Order: sequence, then structure tokens, then C-alpha cells
Amino acid sequence: GAGVSQTPSNKVTEKGKYVELRCDPISGHTALYWYRQSLGQGPEFLIYFQGTGAADDSGLPNDRFFAVRPEGSVSTLKIQRTERGDSAVYLCASSLFLYTEAFFGQGTRLTVV
Amino acid sequence: AQSVTQPDIHITVSEGASLELRCNYSYGATPYLFWYVQSPGQGLQLLLKYFSGDTLVQGIKGFEAEFKRSQSSFNLRKPSVHWSDAAEYFCATDSGGGADGLTFGKGTHLIIQP
Repeated sequence: GAGVSQTPSNKVTEKGKYVELRCDPISGHTALYWYRQSLGQGPEFLIYFQGTGAADDSGLPNDRFFAVRPEGSVSTLKIQRTERGDSAVYLCASSLFLYTEAFFGQGTRLTVV
Repeated sequence: AQSVTQPDIHITVSEGASLELRCNYSYGATPYLFWYVQSPGQGLQLLLKYFSGDTLVQGIKGFEAEFKRSQSSFNLRKPSVHWSDAAEYFCATDSGGGADGLTFGKGTHLIIQP
């Protein structure tokens, strides 16, 4: 597929567990973004990568959240000690370069029970 | 900090009627403005964007939006809606042209009546 791919599409986990959410950007896109969308809300920015480095992680809510992009392509969002309030749809987007259109994946719906 | 307000949570329009979705932004300098559409089971799709220049921008699917600095608005319009336009619409802004995070509004849910 040519679009942004996110896996899994759904994840149910117990409170306190650790989860990883994966994002495969469009091939060749240098910029990658993570957003979180709670029910009835617009997406909220979490973190942005330019290449392998996190250029802006100001949106991460606390130190339980961490994201990596070790080879400048696939990214993983990691959440430790999950809480019920972490339940949301996590969206990933990528863009070819800075200042170009961002394409979004379909998201991972995370439910913490 | 920049913010985006979409005053209408729900809008119901008859098929074939015209549509206007409201968006107001709060930002000191000239913002970069976007409209996205989100259909059930689909990712967010960019409809149109404004960076500079002509204040009336054309987008995909027959949508257009007009930037009005005096009103801090960027309303989305379509002359004649189709049933397939039923979706969630998000207005967003970015101070840096898309490099860092977008700030989204809460969205407007568009319902199309037959």
C-alpha cells in the first residue's frame, strides 16, 4: 500500500501494562508525526520526527509516553504503565519534507480497561 | 498559544443544499490554515490549505474556504452537498507551515438529509 500504515488497528490492554503502537510512513517521507484523538475531540499533537530525531516532543503528556524512529522510517509510540485516560485513537502522519502536506494513517484505537 | 474554534458541533444540511462550516483561529501572525475531513474508518484527508496569497482557496471534492483576517476566520464552503460528504470536518492551524504540530479544532459533524 502507498499510504501510512498503523498497527494494530485496535488494542485492548489492562491498566498498568506496557503497549507499543507502530507507524509505517509513506516511503521516502522524512517527517513523521504522532497525534492523539480522544472521543469527541480533534487530534492533539504529541511528537514530530524529522529523520531519526525528535524535532518537537512538546505534546507528549508525561514521561510514560516515548516514541522512537531509529532508522528514519518506521516509528513506534511506547506507553508505559497505561492508564484508563490513555484510551484514545492514536494517529500517525507523514510528509515528504518540511512544509508539505501531511498524510494520515487510519489510527490505532487503544482501550485501557 | 494558537487555538482553533469550531462553534458548531453538529450541522444538518439537505442533499443539494449549500454548506458553510465555521472556523475561527487565534494567532498573532498570519497563520497557516487547513481543513481536513474524517470519514468513518478513514484517515484524515486534507481538503485544502491556506499559506498566503489569494484569500479564497479551492480544494478537493468541490470545497473552498475563505481567509478573513479581520474576522480571524477560515470558513469552509460547498455550493451543493452530496450524501457522501457526511463526515467529521476539522479546521487546523500551524504557525510553522506544517513542520511541527497542527492545532486542531474539536470538529463539526456534518449530517446530510435526503
